Amino acid sequence: GAVVSQHPSRVICKSGTSVKIECRSLDFQATTMFWYRQFPKQSLMLMATSNEGSKATYEQGVEKDKFLINHASLTLSTLTVTSAHPEDSSFYICSARKHPREGATDTQYFGPGTRLTVL
Amino acid sequence: GQNIDQPTEMTATEGAIVQINCTYQTSGFNGLFWYQQHAGEAPTFLSYNVLDGLEEKGRFSSFLSRSKGYSYLLLKELQMKDSASYLCAVSSTNAGKSTFGDGTTLTVKP
Repeated sequence: GAVVSQHPSRVICKSGTSVKIECRSLDFQATTMFWYRQFPKQSLMLMATSNEGSKATYEQGVEKDKFLINHASLTLSTLTVTSAHPEDSSFYICSARKHPREGATDTQYFGPGTRLTVL
Repeated sequence: GQNIDQPTEMTATEGAIVQINCTYQTSGFNGLFWYQQHAGEAPTFLSYNVLDGLEEKGRFSSFLSRSKGYSYLLLKELQMKDSASYLCAVSSTNAGKSTFGDGTTLTVKP
């Protein structure tokens, strides 16, 4: 299998606070994890690519100081939304790609998503 | 960059067959994915094509023509639970990133 979990699944926070979202690959090692944001009735927008042991690569227009990504191990990546504001309210989804030694393909396995609501 | 086009909405009848098309323009093509996404949930993997031709998996089939920049997802024997958004995603050789189309919302009616 290829199971990816995210925690928390839902979070409500006050404006100005920081929120950390965890993405874990449960039964495989992932060299690369991707973080997406999805607004209602829109497609997935790639925010950043997270590689274990190196700095994340951010897409154009995504503030790296606002969306902190740490890929601490081959099974865990975290996204911290700093000083969250109402416009950051969205569905955040991570995906993971298997390590080459696990027969990697380019298939991305998605976590269940985290719905962030900033009041 | 990558441009991906797919119809916004489609409607079909339970038991019927529906074909969802996807056209793309990309540099460094490294495969095309189809995902299913139900409202409020994360996408789930349906298929992956990297070579030309048809890949069949149960009720779902996916076709790719690299020379035409074209793919389709074919859903047979439609069921009500197939009502969802279907996302076409193209993977590039640029760090293996995938770019997603805007999705096709399929509504299956009785």
